[in-house]
Amino acid sequence: SYVLTQPPSVSVAPGETASLTCGGNSIEGKSVQWYQQRAGQAPVLVIYYDSDRPSEIPERLSGSNSGNTATLTISRVEAADEADYYCQVWDGSNDHWVFGGGTKLTVL
Amino acid sequence: EVQLLESGGGLAQPGGSLRLSCAASGFTFHSYGMSWVRQAPGKGLEWVSSSSGSGDSTYYADSVEGRFTISRDNSKDTLSLHMSSLRAEDTAVYFCAKGGGYGDPMDVWGQGTTVTVSS
Repeated sequence: SYVLTQPPSVSVAPGETASLTCGGNSIEGKSVQWYQQRAGQAPVLVIYYDSDRPSEIPERLSGSNSGNTATLTISRVEAADEADYYCQVWDGSNDHWVFGGGTKLTVL
Repeated sequence: EVQLLESGGGLAQPGGSLRLSCAASGFTFHSYGMSWVRQAPGKGLEWVSSSSGSGDSTYYADSVEGRFTISRDNSKDTLSLHMSSLRAEDTAVYFCAKGGGYGDPMDVWGQGTTVTVSS
């Protein structure tokens, strides 16, 4: 089965840029979604189809996908960005959704 | 406004059954796939099951295949998850999500309902 690998934690100072990675075999051939989950809340879709952004999501959040790594980039990090972030792909070989283990973003 | 409201969570005994429901509003329900995703205490997100808009196509995680059944009533804009042969490891918050039908993003999520499996 397909596996997505995310670093457990990333720390960044306010105003800096955070790069959250999601590794998977030839992931560039799949569409990647990213979800933000703040403490005690439901997940929110922040990036879909690798780099598209729902209208309510700020432009500071962007996505890319190349080779074996997809990346969620958060520019000018704010305290409100502190959350868990999950990547997700559809594995068409067995019609399963796959989530990465999640990355906890800490704003210092 | 798109809204999803889950219900039906609670305490169940190992080997028992439980039925979750998700009431949808604010969108054309039958036009969208729907999904269930769970989160065990202190753990990450785990996909459970998805259904196409018509309900004709359904998909299950290996961990629940044969024990859980996803269904939908498009006349009542309601998604259901019937869970049987419950195990302790099924203990989680269960989220209903709009989307997830054959690769479509899950763009709206409910607040979740808690299932606890314990004797």
